[in-house]
Amino acid sequence: QQQVKQSPQSLIVQKGGISIINCAYENTAFDYFPWYQQFPGKGPALLIAIRPDVSEKKEGRFTISFNKSAKQFSLHIMDSQPGDSATYFCAASKDGNKLVFGAGTILRVKS
Amino acid sequence: DAGITQSPRHKVTETGTPVTLRCHQTENHRYMYWYRQDPGHGLRLIHYSYGVKDTDKGEVSDGYSVSRSKTEDFLLTLESATSSQTSVYFCAISDSRAGVAYEQYFGPGTRLTVT
Repeated sequence: QQQVKQSPQSLIVQKGGISIINCAYENTAFDYFPWYQQFPGKGPALLIAIRPDVSEKKEGRFTISFNKSAKQFSLHIMDSQPGDSATYFCAASKDGNKLVFGAGTILRVKS
Repeated sequence: DAGITQSPRHKVTETGTPVTLRCHQTENHRYMYWYRQDPGHGLRLIHYSYGVKDTDKGEVSDGYSVSRSKTEDFLLTLESATSSQTSVYFCAISDSRAGVAYEQYFGPGTRLTVT
């Protein structure tokens, strides 16, 4: 069964808009929640990560919001740019090992 | 790609043949991982290593074996390739703090086609 459910499968956003991708997890033992960005033909690249002791983490235009009680976390991309067009994956793990990935979201930012 | 190389980058092989994929790192990280990526499934862990000669199974380990004889190299072997193993394979590495692994960094991937 899929332990991390990611939505939506695809997303189209206008340049300058906010992109929001959501993930829900089942295993309450997870304590590390990264987001990865992947361009075609490349390996996933770590974008930002959060641990459950904080509810939000921001790095530049990227923000993770974390809701421990709901077992949900989301990625917000502010001022989305065409260069942000990529596939985004959420993931979760206990102790950083054995990452469990969501199915991915294909983001297209229209200029 | 964080000092990670994978070889070969592309391979086409026939059903029933053995295949070995290699991951090489120059970061001296303790942990190494093999994932496969398929549409609709994201990435799924096949096997991982937490040190030389120390390996463990992941979510989709059936049909795969691994070996790690040196810190820098992690090999993934398909003993008898099947069409269901057609996929893109990624190696990842991570270091540890206080015995805990975080921040996995991925290699460029190997596209394997089994005909």
